[in-house]
Amino acid sequence: GAGVSQSPRYKVAKRGQDVALRCDPISGHVSLFWYQQALGQGPEFLTYFQNEAQLDKSGLPSDRFFAERPEGSVSTLKIQRTQQEDSAVYLCASSLGLAGYEQYFGPGTRLTVT
Amino acid sequence: AQKVTQAQTEISVVEKEDVTLDCVYETRDTTYYLFWYKQPPSGELVFLIRRNSFDEQNEISGRYSWNFQKSTSSFNFTITASQVVDSAVYFCALSEAGGRGSTLGRLYFGRGTQLTVWP
Repeated sequence: GAGVSQSPRYKVAKRGQDVALRCDPISGHVSLFWYQQALGQGPEFLTYFQNEAQLDKSGLPSDRFFAERPEGSVSTLKIQRTQQEDSAVYLCASSLGLAGYEQYFGPGTRLTVT
Repeated sequence: AQKVTQAQTEISVVEKEDVTLDCVYETRDTTYYLFWYKQPPSGELVFLIRRNSFDEQNEISGRYSWNFQKSTSSFNFTITASQVVDSAVYFCALSEAGGRGSTLGRLYFGRGTQLTVWP
């Protein structure tokens, strides 16, 4: 079956631009997670949803980061006024539940801010 | 403090050698889950295994085996008779389920171990 998909795969933004990153989870997965992976590091948690409810956004690095999942399926991570330190790979994952369920990851969006 | 420590940054072996990737975790929860993921050069994280804190039985899957020891807070991963296709970054991760709702489900990753298998 179809896995988690993300678009775009690559995004180059000039500093100060707004960007929107999309995630299509596996059909039927109620939980959706966003992670940020800097070069040479492990993924770092940003936020997660159960259906359309955003249960934890404690990992979002600043108020320039905003995520939504209005219908409990597709999710969008928006970054306003991008900065160079936002350059990273943004990973989306989905799972059947929360604690203890394996998360299935998409290919990621590589964001480069120039 | 790091919840998951992978002390080995890089490991290089020659094909057919056995290799063990170390993972040490830290948590106060009595119920938790441990995972290993593989990230090949293509970049997509691939789930390998999940263990819960109540099941210390070691597991073998083909050339892969996992050794979970609560006494030392370790969850090590061994690849037997390594192959070039095993070359990737391997991540150990922890998920806590101690009842604090805001932390449920989120994965805490280690920094990863880059494994290179030479032909």
